[in-house]
Amino acid sequence: KAGVTQTPRYLIKTRGQQVTLSCSPISGHRSVSWYQQTPGQGLQFLFEYFSETQRNKGNFPGRFSGRQFSNSRSEMNVSTLELGDSALYLCASSPGTEKGYTFGSGTRLTVV
Amino acid sequence: KQEVTQIPAALSVPEGENLVLNCSFTDSAIYNLQWFRQDPGKGLTSLLLIQSSQREQTSGRLNASLDKSSGRSTLYIAASQPGDSATYLCAVRHETSGSRLTFGEGTQLTVNP
Repeated sequence: KAGVTQTPRYLIKTRGQQVTLSCSPISGHRSVSWYQQTPGQGLQFLFEYFSETQRNKGNFPGRFSGRQFSNSRSEMNVSTLELGDSALYLCASSPGTEKGYTFGSGTRLTVV
Repeated sequence: KQEVTQIPAALSVPEGENLVLNCSFTDSAIYNLQWFRQDPGKGLTSLLLIQSSQREQTSGRLNASLDKSSGRSTLYIAASQPGDSATYLCAVRHETSGSRLTFGEGTQLTVNP
C-alpha cells in the first residue's frame, strides 16, 4: 500500500517568487492536511481539505493557499516568498475524523 | 487554546534501558492522541494512536497510555536500542478544532550503544 507522496523533496527559491508543493494521499483517504515545521515554531497547522473543500485553516497569511482535486491529490501554494517561509512542509492524510494521520516525507523549502 | 507539552526535551540513555516519555495537554476534550517519531530531516512516522475512550495501546516494545481526565499521556519504550534514536512527538486532536493536530515540541532521544 503506497504511503503519502510529496513532491518535490527539496526546493530552493528566491525571495518574492512563488512555489507549488504537491501531495498524493493514501488511496481512499479523502482528508489531506498540511503542516509547516520550523526549528523555532515546531509543527504548525496550515489547512485541511476534504472532498475538494477547505474544512479547516490555521493562522497563516493569505500568501499560503491550497486546493484539492477530485482524486484527493492536494497542492499548496506560497506566493511572494519570504526568508521566514524556509521550512519543512509536511502533508498528512486520514481516512476519517477519528482515525489517525499518515504523514509524507515532506518538502524541504529553502528561500534565499 | 489547546497546548501540548513534552518532557523532557532531550534524553540520553544507554542501550537496553527502559524509558518513559511524557506528554501533557491543557484541554481534555480530545478525540484522540497520536505518537510519532521523526528522524532528522525526515517526515513523521506514526507509532501509536489512542482514542479518547481507550487507556492504552501497545505495539511491540512500545506502550502508550492515556489519562484523559488529567491531560496526560506517556510513551514507554522497553529495552531501548540505538535505532530508537529520534525525536518523539505527541499530537492531540481536539474535539472543537476539527481535523487540526496540536503538536508538542518533541523529546529528542539518543540511545547510546
